[in-house]
Amino acid sequence: SYDLTQPPSVSVSPGQTARITCSGDALPNQYVYWYQQKPGQAPVLVIYKDSERPSGIPERFSGSSSGTTVTLTISGVQAEDEADYYCQSADSSRTFLWVFGGGTKLTVL
Amino acid sequence: EVQLVDSGGGLVQPGGSLRLSCAASGFTFSSYSMNWVRQAPGKGLEWVSYISGSSGTIYYADSVKGRFTISRDNAKNSLYLQMNSLRDEDTAVYYCARDPTTFGIVQYYFDFWGQGTLVTVSS
Repeated sequence: SYDLTQPPSVSVSPGQTARITCSGDALPNQYVYWYQQKPGQAPVLVIYKDSERPSGIPERFSGSSSGTTVTLTISGVQAEDEADYYCQSADSSRTFLWVFGGGTKLTVL
Repeated sequence: EVQLVDSGGGLVQPGGSLRLSCAASGFTFSSYSMNWVRQAPGKGLEWVSYISGSSGTIYYADSVKGRFTISRDNAKNSLYLQMNSLRDEDTAVYYCARDPTTFGIVQYYFDFWGQGTLVTVSS
């Protein structure tokens, strides 16, 4: 099966750096995408193709990839960044399948 | 401005049917592949179904295959999800989501989402 693993929760103080990881055996061969979801709202794309930032997303959001782990980094975390974050990839090797990680709750202390 | 407006959710009994709609505006709808993604209460995101711009290519998650049917009407800028034989575990908020298809090439992610519509399957 195609699985993406995220930590359930990450906590940081305002102004610090938050790092949220996403791990999967197939990730060296696939791009990863990151979505931010605040309570009661639809997800919003914050990073695409591992490290690209869509227009309108603050520069403090960045992405990186190393082997089977991809990392979303939020530098200088602000209270408004408190949300659930989901990684997503796609498996086209056998049957087309879009897969999400289980999500990480970012708490700003 | 890209807008996706989901509608059609509601309360339905197990075994029943429901048809969801997504009205698109602000972009050339027929040029983009579209998807349905759902989220059960308090749970994570789950991809449900994909349809290409021409409706020539369709995929379903195993969990809904044979019960759900995705379709689109490019003349009406609308996406649909016909859900039959509904089960308790289909209870979720359903989002339509656009693939940022570029020159006809699928990108395999979601750049814009609807606001979601809640489907509750319960007796």
